[in-house]
Amino acid sequence: QQPVQSPQAVILREGEDAVINCSSSKALYSVHWYRQKHGEAPVFLMILLKGGEQKGHEKISASFNEKKQQSSLYLTASQLSYSGTYFCGTRNTGTASKLTFGTGTRLQVTL
Amino acid sequence: KAGVTQTPRYLIKTRGQQVTLSCSPISGHRSVSWYQQTPGQGLQFLFEYFSETQRNKGNFPGRFSGRQFSNSRSEMNVSTLELGDSALYLCASSLDPTEAFFGQGTRLTVV
Repeated sequence: QQPVQSPQAVILREGEDAVINCSSSKALYSVHWYRQKHGEAPVFLMILLKGGEQKGHEKISASFNEKKQQSSLYLTASQLSYSGTYFCGTRNTGTASKLTFGTGTRLQVTL
Repeated sequence: KAGVTQTPRYLIKTRGQQVTLSCSPISGHRSVSWYQQTPGQGLQFLFEYFSETQRNKGNFPGRFSGRQFSNSRSEMNVSTLELGDSALYLCASSLDPTEAFFGQGTRLTVV
């Protein structure tokens, strides 16, 4: 089952914040966030395991709400380099289950 | 440390032909997953191989097949190509079921 991402696209000015949401109709074991720039491979950002933890990497952080089967990616004080398509991937039943991705959120940061 | 290597990078094939794509994972990684990426569809899961065994399979027709060798290198094959098979095919390798690292992909064009 493919996770659902929202919004599909967002345009920000440099310095603004954004939130990208990822939800699943099935119980989640883990959520994986990636960013893909045009013409490049997706790059791993972070992984969250069930337990409701929150992770952060400089100005990019994420949360995982196991009960709601949702994850959110928070981008604060966005930079031009944040532009790209963000994908969330989910594993439903454990470490051996397939990693399924949403359709992506296109983020554009402008001056 | 070498990343995930996919060959060839670009391919042009004619409808009805077959094609084989190759993926060399990061040294020591035993899991290789394949994805099809098309505009608007995100990353569609094809299959995953772990220690030479297919562990997970997506919802693609039987024309799509794959295998993994003892050195963890993986190949995917598409027979009787259709125009709709034109896409970027990405493979991802992982040491354990945490972060997956993507290759640059093979851009397949079917004419």
